[in-house]
Amino acid sequence: DQQVKQNSPSLSVQEGRISILNCDYTNSMFDYFLWYKKYPAEGPTFLISISSIKDKNEDGRFTVFLNKSAKHLSLHIVPSQPGDSAVYFCAASENTGNQFYFGTGTSLTVIP
Amino acid sequence: SAVISQKPSRDICQRGTSLTIQCQVDSQVTMMFWYRQQPGQSLTLIATANQGSEATYESGFVIDKFPISRPNLTFSTLTVSNMSPEDSSIYLCSVYGTSTYEQYFGPGTRLTVT
Repeated sequence: DQQVKQNSPSLSVQEGRISILNCDYTNSMFDYFLWYKKYPAEGPTFLISISSIKDKNEDGRFTVFLNKSAKHLSLHIVPSQPGDSAVYFCAASENTGNQFYFGTGTSLTVIP
Repeated sequence: SAVISQKPSRDICQRGTSLTIQCQVDSQVTMMFWYRQQPGQSLTLIATANQGSEATYESGFVIDKFPISRPNLTFSTLTVSNMSPEDSSIYLCSVYGTSTYEQYFGPGTRLTVT
Protein backbone atom coordinates (compact mmCIF):
# COMPACT_ATOMS: atom_id res chain seq x y z
CA ASP A 1 0.00 0.00 0.00
CA GLN A 2 1.49 3.29 -1.13
CA GLN A 3 1.67 5.63 1.87
CA VAL A 4 3.12 8.52 -0.09
CA LYS A 5 1.60 9.41 -3.43
CA GLN A 6 2.54 11.73 -6.22
CA ASN A 7 -0.38 11.64 -8.59
CA SER A 8 1.19 13.67 -11.36
CA PRO A 9 3.86 11.67 -13.17
CA SER A 10 4.94 14.67 -15.21
CA LEU A 11 4.74 18.46 -15.31
CA SER A 12 5.86 21.01 -17.90
CA VAL A 13 6.41 24.65 -17.00
CA GLN A 14 7.71 27.66 -18.88
CA GLU A 15 11.01 29.11 -17.71
CA GLY A 16 10.48 31.89 -15.18
CA ARG A 17 7.06 30.65 -14.12
CA ILE A 18 6.19 28.80 -10.93
CA SER A 19 6.40 25.00 -10.70
CA ILE A 20 4.14 23.34 -8.16
CA LEU A 21 4.69 19.69 -7.35
CA ASN A 22 2.20 17.92 -5.13
CA CYS A 23 2.40 15.02 -2.73
CA ASP A 24 -0.20 13.29 -0.56
CA TYR A 25 0.29 10.89 2.30
CA THR A 26 -1.94 8.58 4.29
CA ASN A 27 -0.02 7.92 7.52
CA SER A 28 -0.86 10.49 10.20
CA MET A 29 2.25 9.37 12.15
CA PHE A 30 4.57 10.89 9.57
CA ASP A 31 6.24 13.92 11.08
CA TYR A 32 9.06 14.73 8.70
CA PHE A 33 8.87 15.30 4.99
CA LEU A 34 11.55 15.70 2.37
CA TRP A 35 11.88 16.47 -1.30
CA TYR A 36 14.59 14.92 -3.42
CA LYS A 37 15.67 15.78 -6.93
CA LYS A 38 17.01 13.14 -9.29
CA TYR A 39 18.83 13.62 -12.57
CA PRO A 40 19.22 10.70 -14.99
CA ALA A 41 22.01 8.27 -14.05
CA GLU A 42 22.40 9.91 -10.64
CA GLY A 43 21.06 9.10 -7.21
CA PRO A 44 18.43 11.33 -5.60
CA THR A 45 19.84 14.46 -3.95
CA PHE A 46 18.27 16.08 -0.94
CA LEU A 47 16.52 19.36 -1.76
CA ILE A 48 14.44 20.63 1.13
CA SER A 49 12.58 19.30 4.15
CA ILE A 50 9.89 20.29 6.60
CA SER A 51 8.95 19.14 10.06
CA SER A 52 5.32 18.60 10.99
CA ILE A 53 5.52 21.45 13.50
CA LYS A 54 5.82 23.88 10.60
CA ASP A 55 3.59 24.62 7.65
CA LYS A 56 6.17 26.28 5.45
CA ASN A 57 9.90 26.10 4.84
CA GLU A 58 11.74 28.22 2.34
CA ASP A 59 15.20 27.88 0.83
CA GLY A 60 15.96 30.26 -1.99
CA ARG A 61 13.74 29.48 -4.95
CA PHE A 62 12.30 26.42 -3.23
CA THR A 63 9.43 26.47 -0.75
CA VAL A 64 7.68 23.48 0.75
CA PHE A 65 4.19 23.83 2.17
CA LEU A 66 2.62 21.32 4.54
CA ASN A 67 -1.11 20.96 5.17
CA LYS A 68 -1.38 18.38 7.92
CA SER A 69 -5.16 18.31 8.03
CA ALA A 70 -5.26 17.47 4.33
CA LYS A 71 -2.16 15.23 4.55
CA HIS A 72 -0.75 17.15 1.65
CA LEU A 73 2.52 18.84 0.87
CA SER A 74 3.71 20.77 -2.11
CA LEU A 75 6.98 22.03 -3.48
CA HIS A 76 7.02 25.42 -5.16
CA ILE A 77 9.89 26.44 -7.39
CA VAL A 78 9.92 30.06 -8.44
CA PRO A 79 11.21 31.17 -10.83
CA SER A 80 11.66 27.85 -12.60
CA GLN A 81 14.87 27.35 -14.54
CA PRO A 82 15.79 24.78 -17.23
CA GLY A 83 18.31 23.25 -14.81
CA ASP A 84 15.41 22.36 -12.54
CA SER A 85 14.29 19.75 -15.07
CA ALA A 86 14.53 16.48 -13.14
CA VAL A 87 12.42 13.91 -11.35
CA TYR A 88 11.24 15.09 -7.93
CA PHE A 89 10.44 12.63 -5.17
CA CYS A 90 8.69 13.43 -1.93
CA ALA A 91 9.43 11.26 1.09
CA ALA A 92 8.10 10.96 4.60
CA SER A 93 9.21 9.38 7.85
CA GLU A 94 8.05 8.86 11.39
CA ASN A 95 10.01 10.29 14.29
CA THR A 96 12.58 7.50 14.32
CA GLY A 97 13.76 8.64 10.90
CA ASN A 98 14.83 5.11 9.99
CA GLN A 99 12.27 4.18 7.39
CA PHE A 100 11.65 6.62 4.56
CA TYR A 101 8.59 6.23 2.37
CA PHE A 102 8.92 7.64 -1.11
CA GLY A 103 6.42 8.72 -3.71
CA THR A 104 6.72 7.56 -7.31
CA GLY A 105 8.14 10.86 -8.49
CA THR A 106 7.10 13.70 -10.77
CA SER A 107 9.16 14.46 -13.83
CA LEU A 108 9.47 18.23 -14.20
CA THR A 109 10.41 19.78 -17.53
CA VAL A 110 11.16 23.49 -17.59
CA ILE A 111 10.86 24.82 -21.11
CA PRO A 112 13.28 27.61 -22.05
CA SER B 1 27.63 15.64 2.73
CA ALA B 2 28.91 12.10 2.20
CA VAL B 3 30.21 11.05 -1.20
CA ILE B 4 28.89 7.65 -2.16
CA SER B 5 30.01 5.52 -5.08
CA GLN B 6 28.51 2.33 -6.43
CA LYS B 7 29.81 -0.41 -8.69
CA PRO B 8 28.76 -1.43 -11.25
CA SER B 9 26.77 1.51 -12.55
CA ARG B 10 24.77 -0.84 -14.74
CA ASP B 11 24.69 -4.46 -15.78
CA ILE B 12 22.72 -6.85 -17.91
CA CYS B 13 22.49 -10.31 -16.40
CA GLN B 14 21.04 -13.67 -17.31
CA ARG B 15 18.15 -15.17 -15.44
CA GLY B 16 19.29 -17.45 -12.61
CA THR B 17 22.63 -15.75 -12.02
CA SER B 18 23.67 -13.47 -9.16
CA LEU B 19 25.11 -9.97 -9.08
CA THR B 20 26.95 -8.26 -6.25
CA ILE B 21 26.67 -4.48 -6.00
CA GLN B 22 29.27 -2.53 -4.08
CA CYS B 23 28.74 0.69 -2.15
CA GLN B 24 31.63 2.81 -0.91
CA VAL B 25 31.29 5.88 1.33
CA ASP B 26 34.01 8.48 1.83
CA SER B 27 33.44 8.65 5.58
CA GLN B 28 32.69 6.21 8.36
CA VAL B 29 29.01 5.64 8.92
CA THR B 30 27.14 3.39 11.29
CA MET B 31 24.14 2.61 9.14
CA MET B 32 23.89 2.03 5.42
CA PHE B 33 20.65 1.47 3.55
CA TRP B 34 19.81 -0.41 0.37
CA TYR B 35 16.85 0.65 -1.77
CA ARG B 36 15.28 -0.64 -4.92
CA GLN B 37 13.39 1.37 -7.52
CA GLN B 38 11.47 -0.77 -9.95
CA PRO B 39 10.35 0.83 -13.23
CA GLY B 40 7.63 3.40 -12.58
CA GLN B 41 7.68 2.71 -8.86
CA SER B 42 8.89 4.55 -5.80
CA LEU B 43 12.09 3.85 -3.91
CA THR B 44 11.56 0.92 -1.57
CA LEU B 45 13.83 0.11 1.35
CA ILE B 46 15.27 -3.40 1.11
CA ALA B 47 17.36 -3.52 4.27
CA THR B 48 19.44 -1.61 6.77
CA ALA B 49 23.06 -2.69 7.21
CA ASN B 50 24.92 -2.02 10.44
CA GLN B 51 28.59 -2.81 10.72
CA GLY B 52 29.20 -5.87 12.85
CA SER B 53 25.66 -7.19 12.87
CA GLU B 54 23.18 -8.89 10.59
CA ALA B 55 21.26 -6.69 8.21
CA THR B 56 17.66 -5.89 9.03
CA TYR B 57 15.30 -6.66 6.15
CA GLU B 58 11.99 -5.00 5.39
CA SER B 59 8.83 -6.89 4.78
CA GLY B 60 8.92 -8.67 1.45
CA PHE B 61 12.70 -8.96 1.32
CA VAL B 62 14.71 -11.95 2.58
CA ILE B 63 18.36 -12.61 3.22
CA ASP B 64 18.52 -15.60 0.88
CA LYS B 65 17.50 -13.41 -2.04
CA PHE B 66 19.38 -10.24 -1.04
CA PRO B 67 22.38 -11.14 1.12
CA ILE B 68 24.19 -8.09 2.44
CA SER B 69 27.70 -7.71 3.78
CA ARG B 70 29.00 -4.84 5.89
CA PRO B 71 32.65 -5.59 6.60
CA ASN B 72 33.60 -2.10 7.78
CA LEU B 73 32.23 1.39 8.37
CA THR B 74 32.72 2.63 4.81
CA PHE B 75 31.68 -0.31 2.63
CA SER B 76 28.73 -2.61 1.96
CA THR B 77 27.64 -5.06 -0.70
CA LEU B 78 24.21 -6.19 -1.80
CA THR B 79 23.86 -9.41 -3.79
CA VAL B 80 20.82 -10.04 -5.93
CA SER B 81 20.62 -13.84 -6.07
CA ASN B 82 19.01 -16.20 -8.56
CA MET B 83 17.81 -13.27 -10.61
CA SER B 84 14.61 -13.10 -12.58
CA PRO B 85 13.34 -10.35 -14.90
CA GLU B 86 11.29 -8.99 -11.98
CA ASP B 87 14.57 -8.01 -10.31
CA SER B 88 15.26 -5.50 -13.06
CA SER B 89 15.51 -2.28 -11.08
CA ILE B 90 17.76 0.50 -9.97
CA TYR B 91 19.48 -0.41 -6.71
CA LEU B 92 20.69 2.44 -4.52
CA CYS B 93 22.62 2.61 -1.30
CA SER B 94 22.28 5.52 1.08
CA VAL B 95 23.55 6.86 4.38
CA TYR B 96 22.28 9.36 6.89
CA GLY B 97 23.10 13.01 6.38
CA THR B 98 23.77 15.50 9.14
CA SER B 99 20.76 14.14 10.97
CA THR B 100 18.81 10.91 10.86
CA TYR B 101 16.07 12.84 9.10
CA GLU B 102 18.05 13.10 5.90
CA GLN B 103 19.66 10.53 3.66
CA TYR B 104 22.26 10.83 0.93
CA PHE B 105 22.14 8.42 -1.98
CA GLY B 106 24.66 6.81 -4.24
CA PRO B 107 24.29 7.10 -8.02
CA GLY B 108 22.54 3.74 -8.27
CA THR B 109 23.10 0.50 -10.15
CA ARG B 110 20.78 -0.14 -13.07
CA LEU B 111 20.19 -3.88 -13.35
CA THR B 112 18.49 -5.53 -16.30
CA VAL B 113 17.75 -9.24 -16.11
CA THR B 114 17.07 -11.05 -19.38
